[in-house]
Amino acid sequence: EVQLVQSGAEVKEPGESLKISCKASGYSFSTYWIGWVRQLPGKGLEWMGIIYPDDSDIKYSPSFQGQVTISADKSISTAYLRWSSLQASDTAVYFCVRHSAGGNHVSHWGQGTLVTVSS
Amino acid sequence: QSALTQPASVSGSPGQTINISCTGTSSDIGAYNYVSWYQQLPGKAPKLMIFDVSRRPSGVSNRFSGSKSGNTASLTISGLQTEDEADYYCSSYTTTTWVFGGGTKLTVL
Repeated sequence: EVQLVQSGAEVKEPGESLKISCKASGYSFSTYWIGWVRQLPGKGLEWMGIIYPDDSDIKYSPSFQGQVTISADKSISTAYLRWSSLQASDTAVYFCVRHSAGGNHVSHWGQGTLVTVSS
Repeated sequence: QSALTQPASVSGSPGQTINISCTGTSSDIGAYNYVSWYQQLPGKAPKLMIFDVSRRPSGVSNRFSGSKSGNTASLTISGLQTEDEADYYCSSYTTTTWVFGGGTKLTVL
């Protein structure tokens, strides 16, 4: 069974850095695209980007390029999402997602990590 | 890269059939047969309901079906049940990235 287990909720101040994680299990981590989807409070889903752990190829949505960094450590089957300087507008739930075998759609979701940025 | 367009809300009575549309462009829905649909219950992670326009994952009820015509995809839910009340999102591949619709709140009256 595919499982994506995300790190816990975070409360940060504007300007701080943050890295959240997603531990995958139940499949060959290196050979599936894995990434992140944002959901602002009371709003819809936004696809942020994905990484192919085997060769670290990364695809970012133009909306998030340069705003976040996606990475993965295939030795521990874990994907990451990092901010260097958080803003209040980053307050959201972030879902870890795994794409299908063919990569054509999101097939599995993590439980979500709530990130709150407030002074 | 704009979000796909969905109606904000739809409603129906138990047993009825409803359709949710998802309109994109010739660069996303119109170009690829990689449309998927997700159901999100309040406070939960989304769940895959339809992929590749009309295919159902194992375990998803056959009351859920998908289709596409031109730049518009549709999700049809037949025999509406109270547990179908949720937010529904479409998604499409679009030249190396993916895009979601704005979401549709389904109310079962």
